Amino acid sequence: GENVEQHPSTLSVQEGDSAVIKCTYSDSASNYFPWYKQELGKRPQLIIDIRSNVGEKKDQRIAVTLNKTTKHFSLHITETQPEDSAVYFCAARGGATNKLIFGTGTLLAVQP
Amino acid sequence: DTAVSQTPKYLVTQMGNDKSIKCEQNLGHDTMYWYKQDSKKFLKIMFSYNNKELIINETVPNRFSPKSPDKAHLNLHINSLELGDSAVYFCASSPIGENEKLFFGSGTQLSVL
Repeated sequence: GENVEQHPSTLSVQEGDSAVIKCTYSDSASNYFPWYKQELGKRPQLIIDIRSNVGEKKDQRIAVTLNKTTKHFSLHITETQPEDSAVYFCAARGGATNKLIFGTGTLLAVQP
Repeated sequence: DTAVSQTPKYLVTQMGNDKSIKCEQNLGHDTMYWYKQDSKKFLKIMFSYNNKELIINETVPNRFSPKSPDKAHLNLHINSLELGDSAVYFCASSPIGENEKLFFGSGTQLSVL
């Protein structure tokens, strides 16, 4: 089945710096890669997603990249703000089971 | 109106008890899920129902039994609760098709003492 690895598990940056979170997936048939943000004590919420027919997608300060050859995808946050502090999850869906499998999460702390 | 609502928000109970968590969505979605988030924040799928039919059943102990009376509701019943069941349980829903965005409920913090 699908396996999604995510790094780093924790990331601390200064306000205004960029943050990058990286994920890899195992199932080459996976075709949908969302990113979820979970603030402390809250529910996970979708912030951006990318499909396998696209290599990059941007929405204001966040962008995702996907490399199907290496089975890597990444989340980039520019000009980080304290309100970006949260746990971020990558996920991959596709293949035979069509299940959405989450990565292990990255705790991002933006220091003011 | 809350799109995906689950109750209760907190559940504290003794080992061996039986408890239920209820979930309702008013988004008209066909697919509903239960996810478990442990103390390390790992999010793991437990069950998925499509229009009242079970389509995903992970290797979850059979003490956990989902029930979907209609496509807007997916409840989770847990028998003989164990300490290791302590976690946050999230209900979620999504539409069928290309728009696969998951909408999560606010979670139920289950503590087994």
